[in-house]
Amino acid sequence: GESVGLHLPTLSVQEGDNSIINCAYSNSASDYFIWYKQESGKGPQFIIDIRSNMDKRQGQRVTVLLNKTVKHLSLQIAATQPGDSAVYFCAELHPGTYKYIFGTGTRLKVLA
Amino acid sequence: GAGVSQSPSNKVTEKGKDVELRCDPISGHTALYWYRQSLGQGLEFLIYFQGNSAPDKSGLPSDRFSAERTGGSVSTLTIQRTQQEDSAVYLCASSLDKGRGDGYTFGSGTRLTVV
Repeated sequence: GESVGLHLPTLSVQEGDNSIINCAYSNSASDYFIWYKQESGKGPQFIIDIRSNMDKRQGQRVTVLLNKTVKHLSLQIAATQPGDSAVYFCAELHPGTYKYIFGTGTRLKVLA
Repeated sequence: GAGVSQSPSNKVTEKGKDVELRCDPISGHTALYWYRQSLGQGLEFLIYFQGNSAPDKSGLPSDRFSAERTGGSVSTLTIQRTQQEDSAVYLCASSLDKGRGDGYTFGSGTRLTVV
């Protein structure tokens, strides 16, 4: 079936290379951020989170960087694999609320 | 259940008809959210249920949209007199509390197409 997000920005990387996906967030007071991965036909899945009192957090093959000065998040994926192909969203939790505000997403294509 | 379950997975309806979308959250999760994902867009917050508190309906785009959560578990999102711009994937998520981090689990969504 048709995939959601056909018109999303796309990042194409060679298998084995590192990927960097960027996101700008809206509220300078937001104190918690998440990166989600969404594969075709599935709901978003949690990858990694970071609180505003941190600049960097590492997971398994993934690293999130937070630059509060310019309200920018990035997701770095090391040694990108075909299974990493998906749409990636950043989400910020607006302070004092339970609502996540999602970015528009970036489609990652891994080339064999 | 093991995850958040949504039904139907796909729904095609004629313009002007009413539709009901169902969400079964993870057992024991007190918070339940509906989001809408339109083509080429991010996720748009629609409504939030937390326990027995009044739901936050601030994201519902019009009065044609309504949602219920019965018994603190299953939720139904109803769209009356559907319009073509309602075509989207409707995602439900649940969490134990306010949904920090990996406690916030999405279903696979219902793809609604209004023709």
